[in-house]
Amino acid sequence: EVQLVESGGGLIQPGGSLRLSCAVSGISVSTYHMSWVRQAPGKGLEWVSVIYSGGSTYYADSVKGRFTISSDTVTNTLYLELNSLRVEDTAVYYCARGAAGDWGQGTLVTVSS
Amino acid sequence: DIQMTQSPPSLSASVGDRVTITCRASQGIRNALGWFQHKPGTAPNRLIYNASSLQSGVPSRFSGSGSGTEVTLTISSLQPEDFVTYYCLQHNSYPWTFGQGTKVEIK
Repeated sequence: EVQLVESGGGLIQPGGSLRLSCAVSGISVSTYHMSWVRQAPGKGLEWVSVIYSGGSTYYADSVKGRFTISSDTVTNTLYLELNSLRVEDTAVYYCARGAAGDWGQGTLVTVSS
Repeated sequence: DIQMTQSPPSLSASVGDRVTITCRASQGIRNALGWFQHKPGTAPNRLIYNASSLQSGVPSRFSGSGSGTEVTLTISSLQPEDFVTYYCLQHNSYPWTFGQGTKVEIK
């Protein structure tokens, strides 16, 4: 059974940084591509980023240059580094396997002064 | 970027009704399309992958069809637990993009 457990969310001031983690079990991050998706309050789902097992990464235009996706094959963990945070980055962040076949429960990031 | 135009934004229906939700892509996406159900406070759940393949464990009343620039999700007979929000996601080209969502409400 695939399990994805996010952590690292919280309240952060605009301009700040945060690192989200997603502990993966049941599959290996070295085998599957992994994604991050977010949902801002009252809004729809927004794809954020994907990382492939070969290391290729892709980002939504809204986060390109500010967010960095990575994975650790030893600890089987997916990460999302969030920098230069803006109020509009406030959202629940979900990690997902591949093209969102399996999802974690999400972690809330609130950007506010 | 590929824009996914999902329609309708909302619909009202009754238990037992047949409903169809459509996503139109601004460019061809082949069959690189998934459909998701999202209940408030929970993680989204993929219903359909590759435009028409039913995810394991998902009831057969859900079906997907289409490819290219138009795909549809059909619920053949709405059940009480189906009155939530649905999204499509194209993963044919970057950036991947979701439709705006369709909220299915009880009439």
